[in-house]
Amino acid sequence: DFVMTQSPDSLPVSLGERATINCKSSQSVFYSSTNKNYLAWYQKKPGQPPKLLIYWASTRESGVPDRFSGSGSGTDFTLTISSLQAEDVAAYYCQQYIKLPYTFGQGTKLEIK
Amino acid sequence: EVQLVESGGGLVQAGRSLRLSCTTSGFTFGDYAVAWVRQAPGKGLEWVGLIRTKPYGETKDYAASVKGRFSISRDDSKGIAYLEMNSLKSEDTAVYFCGKDSLSIAWYGFCDYWGQGTPVTVSS
Repeated sequence: DFVMTQSPDSLPVSLGERATINCKSSQSVFYSSTNKNYLAWYQKKPGQPPKLLIYWASTRESGVPDRFSGSGSGTDFTLTISSLQAEDVAAYYCQQYIKLPYTFGQGTKLEIK
Repeated sequence: EVQLVESGGGLVQAGRSLRLSCTTSGFTFGDYAVAWVRQAPGKGLEWVGLIRTKPYGETKDYAASVKGRFSISRDDSKGIAYLEMNSLKSEDTAVYFCGKDSLSIAWYGFCDYWGQGTPVTVSS
């Protein structure tokens, strides 16, 4: 199975500052036939369902604020929040969907410093 | 408005069975694959499985941790997906979420809409 490893596990960031979360895959999630990276990012708050933020590694889901951005290719990916807002406090998960079974990273808890 | 609502969760003894339902509205259910994901207390998200659409034979795939014990099905006439859980173990204790795949007819593997989840507690 693909192993997705996120870093850090916990990330304290001051309001208005940049937050960067990393995700590394044990195998490449890039598929040359489609020229796409099969990598999504979700936000998860307690008591709420996952919320899709980013797919194809860098495509922002409709309605997601543009302070959220995704980058990377192959095995290394980054989710960046350009200016942290209070409502961004949550856990963030990457997920690969290139090969079954699909797998998530262990999550990164973003908190206010 | 797209909606998914899970139900059927509760307290069950280890070794017993439970069936969860994912009741949907606001979209053409039969056109989309459905995934199940769970989150154990204090843990991260775990992909459980998915069921594809009728044109793709309603085929299913499962995580290794549930394969052979869990079964996903769907009733397109009712707009409902099911997760049948057998031989439950304490490690199956989690909140279970169903999600709608973002691609019509085929599937991508990521979900753009999710239900609120239903909790399952397995006592040993």
